[in-house]
Amino acid sequence: QSALTQPRSVSGSPGQSVTISCTGTSSDVGAYNFVSWYQQHPGKAPKLIIYDVSKRPSGVPDRFSGSKSGNTASLNISGLQGEDEADYYCSSFADNHVRVFGGGTKLTVL
Amino acid sequence: EVQLVQSGAEVKKPGESLKISCKSFGYTFTTHWIAWVRQMPGKGLEWMGSIYSGDSDTRYSPSFQGQVTISVDRSISTAHLQWTSLKVSDTAMYYCARLEGVGAFDTWGQGTMITVSS
Repeated sequence: QSALTQPRSVSGSPGQSVTISCTGTSSDVGAYNFVSWYQQHPGKAPKLIIYDVSKRPSGVPDRFSGSKSGNTASLNISGLQGEDEADYYCSSFADNHVRVFGGGTKLTVL
Repeated sequence: EVQLVQSGAEVKKPGESLKISCKSFGYTFTTHWIAWVRQMPGKGLEWMGSIYSGDSDTRYSPSFQGQVTISVDRSISTAHLQWTSLKVSDTAMYYCARLEGVGAFDTWGQGTMITVSS
């Protein structure tokens, strides 16, 4: 099972919006609506910010939103803030009860 | 409050064995899957495998099958990850995470850093 494909880095200015893509296959992202996204600050454990493609856990700002089209999922962050600077990972449920992560995207807030 | 508390950092030599732990608090342990995730220095997250705490049904990533063993001790609400013969390449941070529903790792442990060096 190959890792999902994410851009290595994205950047944006405070107040702007950015989108991070996550491309898989018809065996993972394309087959199931079980894509989740995680935010990881340096030296910290990952934190769940989106699950089941577009749902937000309690406490996650509505500036974070998720979507999916075909084999590609996307995370959109609007109204960028300095605290959003972090690494972001997507994950998907896949055939044979496998889970797979993306390679991660470093978000820089300029 | 749901919490996962992992055992402390370890420094080991190649060929040694190791078992690390992840103790669960604040929910019914036997109703959820627990996953182990590796993060090598400066690298991304890798799913190693998951275990259902209720009946020990275990699924491994093909990359880690045969390299590690995942287990649970229901009497102390704890999941374990173990190696019989560590390699230098096992040096990494290891996280446990609770699976909520099918695909969401909703609660994470603080991580256990494993350093393997001769």
